[in-house]
Amino acid sequence: KNQVEQSPQSLIILEGKNCTLQCNYTVSPFSNLRWYKQDTGRGPVSLTIMTFSENTKSNGRYTATLDADTKQSSLHITASQLSDSASYICVVSGGYSSASKIIFGSGTRLSIRP
Amino acid sequence: NAGVTQTPKFRILKIGQSMTLQCAQDMNHNYMYWYRQDPGMGLKLIYYSVGAGITDKGEVPNGYNVSRSTTEDFPLRLELAAPSQTSVYFCASSYRGTPEETQYFGPGTRLLVL
Repeated sequence: KNQVEQSPQSLIILEGKNCTLQCNYTVSPFSNLRWYKQDTGRGPVSLTIMTFSENTKSNGRYTATLDADTKQSSLHITASQLSDSASYICVVSGGYSSASKIIFGSGTRLSIRP
Repeated sequence: NAGVTQTPKFRILKIGQSMTLQCAQDMNHNYMYWYRQDPGMGLKLIYYSVGAGITDKGEVPNGYNVSRSTTEDFPLRLELAAPSQTSVYFCASSYRGTPEETQYFGPGTRLLVL
C-alpha cells in the first residue's frame, strides 16, 4: 500500500534552534519527493523537490535529504524563526503521469516559541 | 497575478443542503485539482481536470461533482451535504500533470456540515 508517514506529529522548539522533521514512504514506483510548508489557514507552498538521484537540496534555511534506498527523507530547518511556525507536509509522487499517484503525508506541526 | 482563488472561505451547511465551492486560477494552467484535508490526515484528491471539458475522479470522489467549462474555473459541487463532508477543501493548479510539476494551492474553504 502506498503510504507516507511523518514524524513527529508536532514539535515545539525555541526561536534560533535547529530541528529535523522525518518522512518515511512506501510509494512505488517512485518519481519524486516534495516538502510543502502550510501556514495556518493557507494552502501548502512547495519548498523543495527531489528526484531519485538527488541526496540533498537546500532552499535558504531549509535543507531536505533523500535516501532512496531506505525510502526516508528529512527536512532540516536551521536557525528557526517565528515565521517557520507551520505544518510541513511530505508528498511523494509515484508513477510518471497520473495525477492520482500523489500521496500526501499528514504533516508535522512545528511551533517556534520566542 | 492572483494565483489560485477560492470562495467562500468558510461555510456552514445543514445535512442535505447543496452548495458549490468556487475555484479560479489566472496562471493559464491546464491542470486543476480538488483536495480535501481532514484533521490529522494527508490531503486526498477528490477530482482533477486536465483541461476544459475534461475531468476525472481522484481517490475520494463520492458525494461530489465537478465541471470545467473554462480553463480558469473549476467548481466543486456538493449535492446532498453529509457530516462526513466536513473538511477543508483546497483547489490547486499546475501547468502540466507530470509528477515533477509544482501544484499551486488556493487558500482553502472550510466547510462544516451539521
